[in-house]
Amino acid sequence: QVQLVDSGGGVVQPGRSLRLSCAASGFTFRSYGMHWVRQAPGKGLEWVAVIWDDGSKKYYADSVKGRFTVSRDNSKSTLFLEMSSLRAEDTAVYYCARAQETVAYFDYWGQGTLVTVSS
Amino acid sequence: DIQMTQSPSSVSASVGDRVTITCRASQGISSFLAWYQQRPGKAPNLLIYAASNLQSGVPSRFSGSGSGTDFTLTISSLQPEDFATYYCQQAHSFPITFGQGTRLEIK
Repeated sequence: QVQLVDSGGGVVQPGRSLRLSCAASGFTFRSYGMHWVRQAPGKGLEWVAVIWDDGSKKYYADSVKGRFTVSRDNSKSTLFLEMSSLRAEDTAVYYCARAQETVAYFDYWGQGTLVTVSS
Repeated sequence: DIQMTQSPSSVSASVGDRVTITCRASQGISSFLAWYQQRPGKAPNLLIYAASNLQSGVPSRFSGSGSGTDFTLTISSLQPEDFATYYCQQAHSFPITFGQGTRLEIK
């Protein structure tokens, strides 16, 4: 069965960096676009980034552009989110999500990993 | 960016009730709309995609309609497990955007 496992979250000081991972299994990872979506405590969902199935294209939310980098290793079925210059407003649960075929409908989600940016 | 506005922000209803949630896009998105259910502490779950297509495994009491800028999610007969928060999401263009959510509470 399809499974996405998010990891790498934790408490980090403002201005520091953190790398999140999403390990995929149960499907042909290299055939799907993958996204990151976050949710601040008690708030709604915010899309963060997408990477095409082959890694050829990437798009970011304005709120993270220039600070976050999405990447993937198709040989290891793993998605990454490199976060730098972290701010308090980046505090959230971060979910990886699989895009349904060629359209960004998220049919499978990771369990989420909590990132807390605090001094 | 395309803004997605849901109404109401919260609604109280009883088991067996019919509930409708609306979502309006700030510009036309054809049928590139999805609905998700999120229970506390859990990841969202895809209910409806392409405005009206029921995701595999989702009960048939959930239905979606609309195109262009106005969309609805209807739950025909509420069950206890349906009390959760619901989000719409446009998949027409980047950045992907979500509605602010509708919290469905037990009356």
